[in-house]
Formats: sequence, structure tokens, C-alpha cells
Amino acid sequence: NAGVIQTPRHKVTGKGQEATLWCEPISGHSAVFWYRQTIVQGLEFLTYFRNQAPIDDSGMPKERFSAQMPNQSHSTLKIQSTQPQDSAVYLCASSLDRGRYAEQFFGPGTRLTVL
Amino acid sequence: AQKVTQTQTSISVMEKTTVTMDCVYETQDSSYFLFWYKQTASGEIVFLIRQDSYKKENATVGHYSLNFQKPKSSIGLIITATQIEDSAVYFCAMRGLTGNTRKLIFGLGTTLQVQP
Repeated sequence: NAGVIQTPRHKVTGKGQEATLWCEPISGHSAVFWYRQTIVQGLEFLTYFRNQAPIDDSGMPKERFSAQMPNQSHSTLKIQSTQPQDSAVYLCASSLDRGRYAEQFFGPGTRLTVL
Repeated sequence: AQKVTQTQTSISVMEKTTVTMDCVYETQDSSYFLFWYKQTASGEIVFLIRQDSYKKENATVGHYSLNFQKPKSSIGLIITATQIEDSAVYFCAMRGLTGNTRKLIFGLGTTLQVQP
């Protein structure tokens, strides 16, 4: 079975440009998560969808960041007017999200570099 | 607020020995899950093992086992018979069971180097 798929694997943008990151969760998983990883902050939660509905976006920066899940097979994270501090690895994870099946499985990540 | 702390920045061991990585956590939730993940040199994050807070038995999967000490809010990862391929960064994570959130709170990781 394919794991979580993320595209692109690497993205370079200029300051002020928009970046859209894509995630395809594991088939049958009802929960999708976005995290960000930097050397300084480590792994930080951004947002979470269950059955495509946004449930928790407590980690999302209030400006410039948005996430959507238009169907069960993909989610997008969009960053408008990218800034150098947005440079990070953005990780998508999915989970069955049912009691004993609580593990989240991570994709390979998208490394975003903002010049 | 929930918090996960891994005090060991890096550990180096000889192949085929046993290593223990420490993790302490803070939570107000009465029930929670604790996880250990491994991040390889390629960046891949792999789920290793999980402990449910309401279970007294320490979880074991393959050559990974946990030392769960609930009164100390501690969840150590034990790797027996280490192999070169175990060299990676190991993250401890926690998820509360209160409310709607399912987010994982991660520690900053411990780098393990297994020497031949």
C-alpha cells in the first residue's frame, strides 16, 4: 500500500510569492494532519481535518496560511506572500483516527525554501 | 499546557548493545497516548511504538520496548541489540484524549548513533 504522498518534495519561492503544498493521505484514513519542522522549533502541529472537515487549526499562523481538504484523497496547504521564516519542511500525516488506531503516519515532507 | 521534553540531545552506542532514551511529559489529561517515532537520514518519519496511559503493561514491538512510569510522567524507549540501521533521530510524542484535538506534541528529539 502506498503511504502518504506529498508533492512537490522541494519548492523554492521568492519572498512574497505563493506556495501550495499537496498531500494525498493513505486510502481509508479519515484524519489528515499538517505539521512543520524546523531546526529551531522542531515538529509543530499546524492543522487537522477529520472526514474532510477542519477540526483544529490552532497551530496555523493567522495570516497567510490556509489549508483545505476538498475531497478525501487530498489536502492542500497554501502559504500566501511567503517570507524567509516560512522556510521549513512541511509534513502531512494521516490516521484512521479511531480509538486504538491512533498512530499518525507521515509523508516524506515538502522542503520549502523562501529566498 | 502539554509539553514533551527529551533531555538527551545525542547518544552514541556500540552495535549490539542496549540503549535507553528518556522522555518526560506534562499534561492535564487523565488519559493520553504516548508515541515514539524515528526520523531517518533521508527525512522519513516512521512510527515505532505506542503506549496507552491507561495500560500498566509496557508496550513492546520487535526490539523496541517502553519503560512507562506514570507517576514520574516518564516514557523511556529501550532498543535492544542495536543495529547500524538504528542510527536516526528519535522523537517522543504525546496526544491527549480530551476534546476534539488529535494533534501530536513532540519533543525535540534524540540523535542516536550506533557505531560498528
